[in-house]
Amino acid sequence: AQTVTQSQPEMSVQEAETVTLSCTYDTSESDYYLFWYKQPPSRQMILVIRQEAYKQQNATENRFSVNFQKAAKSFSLKISDSQLGDAAMYFCAYRSLTSGTYKYIFGTGTRLKVLA
Amino acid sequence: NAGVTQTPKFRVLKTGQSMTLLCAQDMNHEYMYWYRQDPGMGLRLIHYSVGEGTTAKGEVPDGYNVSRLKKQNFLLGLESAAPSQTSVYFCASSYFHQREPSQYFGPGTRLLVL
Repeated sequence: AQTVTQSQPEMSVQEAETVTLSCTYDTSESDYYLFWYKQPPSRQMILVIRQEAYKQQNATENRFSVNFQKAAKSFSLKISDSQLGDAAMYFCAYRSLTSGTYKYIFGTGTRLKVLA
Repeated sequence: NAGVTQTPKFRVLKTGQSMTLLCAQDMNHEYMYWYRQDPGMGLRLIHYSVGEGTTAKGEVPDGYNVSRLKKQNFLLGLESAAPSQTSVYFCASSYFHQREPSQYFGPGTRLLVL
């Protein structure tokens, strides 16, 4: 079975600095998607970025980028020029593309604090 | 386009009472999910549905029932609420994965069982 591990329960970053959140996963499959979701205090889960496993190029969305290391099964999120609004829980998630599978596997989350 | 909506946003129940949480999506998604979120445990899948009229158990299904009579709606029922069911409940939906793999969430329902 697939698993997703976020080993950092909490991280802090100074405003305008860069922070990297870690995520590792375990799977025997070759085709899958990986996601980062942000959950601010409002509790709304917001999709931040996603990565297709068969694409070697790392995904980027404005100040958010990922470092996807398929062989190492690592999928870290880098937030550049951190802003106060980035303070939130961040969840890493995995979705298999194997036919007949419908589930997403989530990590336990990393709480990011942004210091002014 | 409202996306995924949930009703109610907050509810207090007494032990043994029943209630139904409603999820609606207007994105024509095939798949719908119910999760619960508890501190330090991330999101745990309760039940899910891959199409109208079909449901399946997730990771933590005990004490819950679901129904999907219409493609756009997914109902989560608690027949006899217990304090252990105090949690935040999220509904989510997605397309058939080969079309678009991302999952979209509702705003959550906070449930307190006394």
